[in-house]
Amino acid sequence: DIQMTQSPSSLSASVGDRVTITCRASQSINNYLNWYQQKPGKAPKLLIYAASSLQSGVPSRFSGSGSGTHFTLTISSLQLEDFATYHCQQTYSIPFTFGPGTKVDIK
Amino acid sequence: QLQLQESGPGLVKPSETLSLTCTVSGGSISSSNYYWGWIRQPPGKGLEWIGNIFYSESTSYYNPSLKSRVTISVDTSKNQFSLKLGSVTAADTAVYYCARDCGGDCYDWLDPWGQGTLVTVSS
Repeated sequence: DIQMTQSPSSLSASVGDRVTITCRASQSINNYLNWYQQKPGKAPKLLIYAASSLQSGVPSRFSGSGSGTHFTLTISSLQLEDFATYHCQQTYSIPFTFGPGTKVDIK
Repeated sequence: QLQLQESGPGLVKPSETLSLTCTVSGGSISSSNYYWGWIRQPPGKGLEWIGNIFYSESTSYYNPSLKSRVTISVDTSKNQFSLKLGSVTAADTAVYYCARDCGGDCYDWLDPWGQGTLVTVSS
């Protein structure tokens, strides 16, 4: 199985901050990397697919980059509604695996 | 717009079979080349991909860690797909989500998701 790691595991930030979350794969996954946002008690929501493609309806302050084994999710200017947990997922090979999540909370 | 809703027992006894159904509304489960998937999340933990199924020919893929106990099936007449997980233990206690999977040609992204249903394994 491909192992996914995320850093940091949690972070505290303020509204307006630029936030970057890193996701690493244990082997190359090309760009088969998706990002999801999950709020407490809710289902995950797709933000980014194919490492850098913004899902329809997702604000442009979210962006993704990377390929191979190293990926990043950036929120250019954090908004109140962005406080949540972010998960990366590789879909290069079965079983599709998720990272452990990064919780973004209010400083 | 497309919506998914999980249903099934919230409590299952150890060694028994967990059975859940996902009802798709706002679109046909067989209208496009989508897969339909199941994902779970133990309380306070991360997400685990269980498997998915294609509506046509019922092609399915499973997480090898669960493969011996899992079956995913589709009922196009009811616009539903289902999950069965046998021989459950407390480790199978989780929120179970269903989701539409766009398929390998588009990176298997998952969208939308159902709201999730908590299944507790306990006697």
